[in-house]
Amino acid sequence: ILNVEQSPQSLHVQEGDSTNFTCSFPSSNFYALHWYRWETAKSPEALFVMTLNGDEKKKGRISATLNTKEGYSYLYIKGSQPEDSATYLCAYNSNTGNQFYFGTGTSLTVIP
Amino acid sequence: DGGITQSPKYLFRKEGQNVTLSCEQNLNHDAMYWYRQDPGQGLRLIYYSQIVNDFQKGDIAEGYSVSREKKESFPLTVTSAQKNPTAFYLCASMGAAGGENIQYFGAGTRLSVL
Repeated sequence: ILNVEQSPQSLHVQEGDSTNFTCSFPSSNFYALHWYRWETAKSPEALFVMTLNGDEKKKGRISATLNTKEGYSYLYIKGSQPEDSATYLCAYNSNTGNQFYFGTGTSLTVIP
Repeated sequence: DGGITQSPKYLFRKEGQNVTLSCEQNLNHDAMYWYRQDPGQGLRLIYYSQIVNDFQKGDIAEGYSVSREKKESFPLTVTSAQKNPTAFYLCASMGAAGGENIQYFGAGTRLSVL
């Protein structure tokens, strides 16, 4: 079983603050890194799929970067809003199979 | 509405009983997955299927069985051999969107033991 770690485990920020979290994964046999957003009582939704070292992707106020050589990805949220409150999951996909290995997630609470 | 439908939302299992969790998709995706979530742990893969009539074990397949007779359906049976079945179960399918393969998830089934 591959080890995918996310930090911090939880985060409380004030509305308007910017924040970021980390996903660490094995640097060998890398194929793709997925970020998901999971709101309470809803289904996880895909945010980004990242495949190339140095990739940067952006969707509104949320962006992500990827470093496959050292095995980490950062997710940034600029000017956090209460509707950003959710658990953010990352999932590592290796080039040796079709399995996804998930981190435990970062739970973000944005306080109005 | 396109998506993944899981049922039931809540399920209770008696000792020694097999129970089946339903997962249906109308996205025309070939690949489907079953995950289990326990408190403080990431999603762990139970089984996955890349195509009809074929499936592979994930990391925690013991005590579970699946079938994939139709593209749309990937039911998961929690057998009496699974000694700790209480968990939240998520089903997903994977398909292309914007040139990338993305997993789409259902809303989950919470299984408890009576």
